[in-house]
Amino acid sequence: DSGVTQTPKHLITATGQRVTLRCSPRSGDLSVYWYQQSLDQGLQFLIQYYNGEERAKGNILERFSAQQFPDLHSELNLSSLELGDSALYFCASSVRAEQTDTQYFGPGTRLTVL
Amino acid sequence: GENVEQHPSTLSVQEGDSAVIKCTYSDSASNYFPWYKQELGKRPQLIIDIRSNVGEKKDQRIAVTLNKTAKHFSLHITETQPEDSAVYFCAATHNFNKFYFGSGTKLNVKP
Repeated sequence: DSGVTQTPKHLITATGQRVTLRCSPRSGDLSVYWYQQSLDQGLQFLIQYYNGEERAKGNILERFSAQQFPDLHSELNLSSLELGDSALYFCASSVRAEQTDTQYFGPGTRLTVL
Repeated sequence: GENVEQHPSTLSVQEGDSAVIKCTYSDSASNYFPWYKQELGKRPQLIIDIRSNVGEKKDQRIAVTLNKTAKHFSLHITETQPEDSAVYFCAATHNFNKFYFGSGTKLNVKP
C-alpha cells in the first residue's frame, strides 16, 4: 500500500456525462500528479499540482480540469465524456523535497464510458 | 517537449537469465530517470531510479545505467524469476515537473 488513495475504484458512465475522480496524497506529500493509462498503453502525464498551485501541464484535454484543495487532496474533473476517455486514471504524490522526490502511485480509478 | 522511447516492447527470457530494457530520451535537461514495474491491473511501483549526476545504480538483482552523452538509460535484471514478469516503464523528467513515460516493456520470465 503506497499511502495514496483514490476514489472511486470503478466508474461506469455514459457519453456526454461529467465525473469527478478524487485523490488523497500520502501524509506530508505536497505534490500530486494525474496520469491517464488507456488499454495496453503507457502512462500519459496530465497535470501536476504542488501545494494547491498548478505546476505543470501535460496532454490534458480542455474537457478535463483538476484542482488541489487546501487539505492537499486533488480532484480530476472529466466532462463531455467520450468513449475514448475510457481508461485507468492514476494519481501519484511526492514530497517535492530537494533530495527525495519519489512518486507513489495510487491504486487508480477505472473509468468506463459507454 | 521530451520524448522517451523504450525497447523492446516485449521480452521473453528463461528463468535465471538476465533481461535488459533500454530507453532513450531527447531532452538533455532531463535529470531524473525512474523505472516502474506494473503488474496486471495494479499500480506502477518504483523499482529503481537514477539521477543525472550518477552513471550507475544497483539494488540487489536490479541495476540501472545512464549514458548522458548518448541520452539513454537501461534497466538490467539479473537472475530473473517468474515473479519478475510484468510490464516495465521507464520515465524521464526535468526537476520533477512533467514526467514522460516510455511505452512499456512486457517481460515474461518462463519457468
